[in-house]
Parts: sequence; C-alpha cells; structure tokens
Amino acid sequence: NAGVTQTPKFRILKIGQSMTLQCAQDMNHNYMYWYRQDPGMGLKLIYYSVGAGITDKGEVPNGYNVSRSTTEDFPLRLELAAPSQTSVYFCASSYGVQETQYFGPGTRLLVL
Amino acid sequence: GQNIDQPTEMTATEGAIVQINCTYQTSGFNGLFWYQQHAGEAPTFLSYNVLDGLEEKGRFSSFLSRSKGYSYLLLKELQMKDSASYLCASQRRGNYQLIWGAGTKLIIKP
Repeated sequence: NAGVTQTPKFRILKIGQSMTLQCAQDMNHNYMYWYRQDPGMGLKLIYYSVGAGITDKGEVPNGYNVSRSTTEDFPLRLELAAPSQTSVYFCASSYGVQETQYFGPGTRLLVL
Repeated sequence: GQNIDQPTEMTATEGAIVQINCTYQTSGFNGLFWYQQHAGEAPTFLSYNVLDGLEEKGRFSSFLSRSKGYSYLLLKELQMKDSASYLCASQRRGNYQLIWGAGTKLIIKP
C-alpha cells in the first residue's frame, strides 16, 4: 500500500495563476481532507469529503475548490493564486469520521 | 468557542522524560488525538484518548482528563529521533473537523 500520495512536492506560482494539487489514497477510505499548515499555526481544514461525489467546506475554503469523482482521488484546485495561499498543503484520509487520519507527504506551495 | 493550547517549544535531554501538555475548550468533546510531525514531513498518528486516564504505548503514554479539559503526552527514555513537533487535536462528536493546536516543538539535547 502506498497510503496517501500527493503531487507535486513543491511548486512556485505567480499571482493569478491556477493549479491543481493531486491527492490519492489506496486504503479504500471514505473520508478525505485537505489541510493547510502555516508556520507556527495549527492545521486548518480547507475542504473535506465523506465519499465519492460528496464534498463540503471546512474552516478556510475561500480561494479553493475540490471534487471527488472516485473514492481514491481528491484533487484541490487553486484559482487565481494569491500570496496568502503560500503554505504547506496536506491531504489526509480516514476510514470513518471518528477514525485516525492518515496524511500524505505534503505539497509546499510558494506564490510570488 | 473552540480552542486548543499547547506550549510552543520544549527542550529535554536524551534519556530523560518529558511531558507535553494540551488544554482544550471544545463543545461536544468526543476525544483527543496526538500526532508527531518531524520537520518537513507529514503528521503521523501517536495516540487517541476518549476515556479519562492514561494509555501507554511503549515509550509514549497519553493522558486525558475530560472534566479538566486537559491532556498530556509523556515521552520516556528520550532519543534524538524524538526531536519533532507534537500536535494535539480535539474531536467533537459526529463532526468531521478536528481542532488542531499549533504544535509543541520538542528539542532533544545530548
């Protein structure tokens, strides 16, 4: 099992550009999450999904979009990148809502 | 409101014991997670407490007091590889969103 995988590992974007952060899991987990982690701050939930075709906003959804067409994949789309979106992005998955979350290796994004 | 507090940084000596505290104010509290995060890496699960008391897993133990809104992570026989950030996160009943602390950076000195 690869667990949770994320691509790319690192990306530099110019202000106003768009990109998609990829996330995939092979554990057949229903629940998937996108977090951002800024220095000295706790993880902030951006979006989550409870299953294919179902997504919902987390704490900080503005400037992002997600889709969940399959159980395995949960891409995060950034439209019109802004410097405030410079962060490390983690994707996570869990079997159930009260279960342990397993994290991917993260994507480090720099918006200049 | 929802709030979690933990110390920003702690220093300990190799071979010693360290206790990392976490206090929370979470309505509808269900349980508390501890994760370890090495620099530049993803968080990895350490423990999950739902009931009051101490749960031991090898060199790591985690304690919860629901009435006091308090938890701690106890690390024994510290090793250099234990240098990492330790994140606590509270969970509400039936809610998908964990509330994360900012993490405690633990520095281990020889």
